[in-house]
Amino acid sequence: SAVISQKPSRDICQRGTSLTIQCQVDSQVTMMFWYRQQPGQSLTLIATANQGSEATYESGFVIDKFPISRPNLTFSTLTVSNMSPEDSSIYLCSVGTASPSGNTIYFGEGSWLTVV
Amino acid sequence: GENVEQHPSTLSVQEGDSAVIKCTYSDSASNYFPWYKQELGKRPQLIIDIRSNVGEKKDQRIAVTLNKTAKHFSLHITETQPEDSAVYFCAARSGPGNKLVFGAGTILRVKS
Repeated sequence: SAVISQKPSRDICQRGTSLTIQCQVDSQVTMMFWYRQQPGQSLTLIATANQGSEATYESGFVIDKFPISRPNLTFSTLTVSNMSPEDSSIYLCSVGTASPSGNTIYFGEGSWLTVV
Repeated sequence: GENVEQHPSTLSVQEGDSAVIKCTYSDSASNYFPWYKQELGKRPQLIIDIRSNVGEKKDQRIAVTLNKTAKHFSLHITETQPEDSAVYFCAARSGPGNKLVFGAGTILRVKS
């Protein structure tokens, strides 16, 4: 499996500010995703990060709020813009790695954001 | 789109007993069903997965079964131990893009 590193691991943010989360993978991967996990909840896909083109957002998530970059096959960023307390969540980078039986999805360590 | 339902939401078992968590999915085109374990304050960790061309898969004390006709899959943990206590999430993947849709999660408590 790939080693997925996220920064920051944890942060406390002031409302109205923006924060960029970085995701670095130790090998080239075709699939990268960003998930959100609100307190006590399940995981919800925010978007698929596409290398060299605009991310594909899921219903309920928009580029202005969650701009995503993916300049190459090992790196992506997610920005949470104009934060409010409702944005307090774990943000998880996820990658798909190929195996003989198909693709397997793994998660990074997560970025735990608290908005005050 | 895909919808995944997971039951029960909480499960308490005595150490040594078995635990079973069930998920149903809606999209018959779904072809990959992973299970993740999330301990408090940690990331979800893949513990086992099954693909649509297989009915059952086992890894030591953990097994997953898939019934494609009924569109449900289950996680079985035998001889439970206190360190099995965690939140377990099922997921299903369908359609283009390899996106996973997750169940709501099951809190498993193993009492010693």
